[in-house]
Amino acid sequence: DGGITQSPKYLFRKEGQNVTLSCEQNLNHDAMYWYRQDPGQGLRLIYYSQIVNDFQKGDIAEGYSVSREKKESFPLTVTSAQKNPTAFYLCASSTGVGTDTQYFGPGTRLTVL
Amino acid sequence: AQSVTQPDIHITVSEGASLELRCNYSYGATPYLFWYVQSPGQGLQLLLKYFSGDTLVQGIKGFEAEFKRSQSSFNLRKPSVHWSDAAEYFCAVDNNNDMRFGAGTRLTVKP
Repeated sequence: DGGITQSPKYLFRKEGQNVTLSCEQNLNHDAMYWYRQDPGQGLRLIYYSQIVNDFQKGDIAEGYSVSREKKESFPLTVTSAQKNPTAFYLCASSTGVGTDTQYFGPGTRLTVL
Repeated sequence: AQSVTQPDIHITVSEGASLELRCNYSYGATPYLFWYVQSPGQGLQLLLKYFSGDTLVQGIKGFEAEFKRSQSSFNLRKPSVHWSDAAEYFCAVDNNNDMRFGAGTRLTVKP
């Protein structure tokens, strides 16, 4: 069954700690994305990757880091430099960047205490 | 600045009534247009998309959307709403590899 998985669904961390969110896809998609969702603001792009070992900053990359060592995986690290990390994080993938439809994972809700 | 606007933050309709959710964009050229639906605490599911051709697009779950170039709009419609349609709906626009999402419209369905 093809799709995108994100884990964990809920994550709690203390302020000042780095935390890594997992995103895996078995759709054989080249492109992957991370979005942040806050109430009333829609989705904002954090990072995206068009191909393995390459990634680009989105609109709100400050305080976040990513890696793309494997085609299937695109983990997001929320660092202590991110001033307001509590949010719902969505991972997506597509066959390529551009006109291709993006398919979304179920999301991870991060709460920083 | 390029933007996607969903003017209605929250809409309430009765079950069985018709629905129209509005989406406007401000781009010079015709972008690629999408509607997604999100249930609480879940990811986004694609309802339909418009790339070119017929301006009336059919999607899943009985939804359709019409692209109107003159109005820079891509409104989502459904003739008869079901209680299971209660969710948040996002319009998205891709212009030259730059995908932007609207702020969303939350739909409540009254019995």
